[in-house]
Amino acid sequence: RKEVEQDPGPFNVPEGATVAFNCTYSNSASQSFFWYRQDCRKEPKLLMSVYSSGNEDGRFTAQLNRASQYISLLIRDSKLSDSATYLCVVNMETSYDKVIFGPGTSLSVIP
Amino acid sequence: ETGVTQSPTHLIKTRGQQVTLRCSSQSGHNTVSWYQQALGQGPQFIFQYYREEENGRGNFPPRFSGLQFPNYSSELNVNALELDDSALYLCASSSSLASNEQFFGPGTRLTVL
Repeated sequence: RKEVEQDPGPFNVPEGATVAFNCTYSNSASQSFFWYRQDCRKEPKLLMSVYSSGNEDGRFTAQLNRASQYISLLIRDSKLSDSATYLCVVNMETSYDKVIFGPGTSLSVIP
Repeated sequence: ETGVTQSPTHLIKTRGQQVTLRCSSQSGHNTVSWYQQALGQGPQFIFQYYREEENGRGNFPPRFSGLQFPNYSSELNVNALELDDSALYLCASSSSLASNEQFFGPGTRLTVL
């Protein structure tokens, strides 16, 4: 089993739709969690950190369920500019930052 | 503030050759991590450098090696290149080991023929 798994995608949604991405991780010692966004042929950029209490940033909401080892990202009112690959990231914070990226889920928002 | 830069942007090598990729970290950042991203996959952690010392390593063979310099810039060296080494190589810097946010450079796309 891979350490971080994500919905395979791709997701093709119309503008204005709500879309949710799921991510599971296998190691219960994981300590911090993030969503990164990667545009085609570009580098990943931090979208948001994920906290146990859940957190929201505009149209984006992230949730963490430690008991189920599950992370989610909800995007409301999708825009064309949201089209990208969304990477789930888990940091084990051992003696070094053991950062594990999921394979990513591709989103295309269609006019 | 200067972001993370990498050079070269693209590189073509043949099997068995050696390659050196370079990264300049963001101003004030002392921690650099290197990742390999194959097509259609997420980045895979190669190793991390903190204040010129290797601070952790992923599941990559010894022919992948690195350096960090006093100005915190870094190099990734790959010896005896194999076809499967073809990938985007990303460098990311952070302000400290305790920092949660990594800032990525644009990457070097390596093709091994």
